[in-house]
Amino acid sequence: DVKVTQSSRYLVKRTGEKVFLECVQDMDHENMFWYRQDPGLGLRLIYFSYDVKMKEKGDIPEGYSVSREKKERFSLILESASTNQTSMYLCASSLLQGNTEAFFGQGTRLTVV
Amino acid sequence: AQSVTQLGSHVSVSEGALVLLRCNYSSSVPPYLFWYVQYPNQGLQLLLKYTSAATLVKGINGFEAEFKKSETSFHLTKPSAHMSDAAEYFCAVTPRQGGKLIFGQGTELSVKP
Repeated sequence: DVKVTQSSRYLVKRTGEKVFLECVQDMDHENMFWYRQDPGLGLRLIYFSYDVKMKEKGDIPEGYSVSREKKERFSLILESASTNQTSMYLCASSLLQGNTEAFFGQGTRLTVV
Repeated sequence: AQSVTQLGSHVSVSEGALVLLRCNYSSSVPPYLFWYVQYPNQGLQLLLKYTSAATLVKGINGFEAEFKKSETSFHLTKPSAHMSDAAEYFCAVTPRQGGKLIFGQGTELSVKP
């Protein structure tokens, strides 16, 4: 069974904290994605990676960074969490070819207080 | 840059009625197109995808979508709605050469008894 695993389902952090969201996939996929999901706004792409150590900014990269040191792991980093980063974060992975399905993790609901 | 627009953030139909969820894309070259579904408190799963083999694509749970290049559309339909179809539906696009997977704003489908 294919799997994308996000390290936490729920997180509560304080404003100004450095936050790490971890995502691991076991399908040997080249592509990995981080999205945030907010009501009425759909899924907005934060960052995308197509290979180890390679990354591209998505539509809303401000306030976030990413790390991909190994093919199976893609980390999202909030350098200094703010309340407007309270959201549902979704990780996904897919093969390099564009015509293949992306597989999603269950999401991490992050609350910044 | 590619983009995708879903018309209507909420659609309500009666059980047994036709379901029509609209999606339009913006791209100079026809991209790959996808519909994903998200049931309450669950992750996203693929309903169907268009990869240029046929313009009418059949997916799971009786859904289908038709790619119309002249209208830059990829609308999702189902002839007869079931209560179990109540969910949020997302249209997504990725370029032919691979890369970023971009989602629309989502359409929440309600099914009335």
